[in-house]
Amino acid sequence: EVQLVESGGDLVQPGGTLRLSCTASGFAFSDHYMDWVRQAPGKGLEWVGRTRNKRNNYAPEYAASVKGRFSISRDESKQSLYLQMTNLKSDDTAVYYCASGSGGTLAFDIWGQGTLVTVS
Amino acid sequence: SYELTQAPSVSVSPGQTGTITCSGDNLVNKYVSWYQQKPGHSPVLVIYHDNKRPSGIPERFSGSNSENTATLTISGTQATDEADYYCQAWVSSTAVFGGGTKLTVL
Repeated sequence: EVQLVESGGDLVQPGGTLRLSCTASGFAFSDHYMDWVRQAPGKGLEWVGRTRNKRNNYAPEYAASVKGRFSISRDESKQSLYLQMTNLKSDDTAVYYCASGSGGTLAFDIWGQGTLVTVS
Repeated sequence: SYELTQAPSVSVSPGQTGTITCSGDNLVNKYVSWYQQKPGHSPVLVIYHDNKRPSGIPERFSGSNSENTATLTISGTQATDEADYYCQAWVSSTAVFGGGTKLTVL
């Protein structure tokens, strides 16, 4: 079964740090670009960033709203994706989803269940 | 920065055709995807590459993209289609989502 499972969400104070994890199973993790998407309470979806696959040197991209504060990495041996968040602000309060797309779709067809980060 | 604009809400009667639009500059030059999200659940991809349906998505979901507007059409809308719908496109290696449209079936 294709699956993404996030963990690590918590209540953190403004200015604090937190690391989220996402474990993949059921698909060729090393071939996939992996993304983080967040959703503030009662709001829409916001893309956070991505890490490309090994073939593309794991090059990252970030949304302007998190650039310089968030860092995305991955561990192929653990089939895991990470989101390191620093200098957290109240606006970062959201459910964080990891997501990925099958090759060539330019879309996210695999989503995790999400993990809640509360900055307060 | 690039924006995708969606109407906040759309209503449709059961069995009728529901239409949700997404507007952006020269959107026809980008591939648009659509996601359905029900309360308390993760988004589900319903359309990619403007008009392609992933496996398992009912045929009543279709998409189009022309000039500055992409459209998600739900034919023969069912009560189970009531949800939030988001369009999404890629702009300079960043993903952009529309603000979302709440589809009410009544």
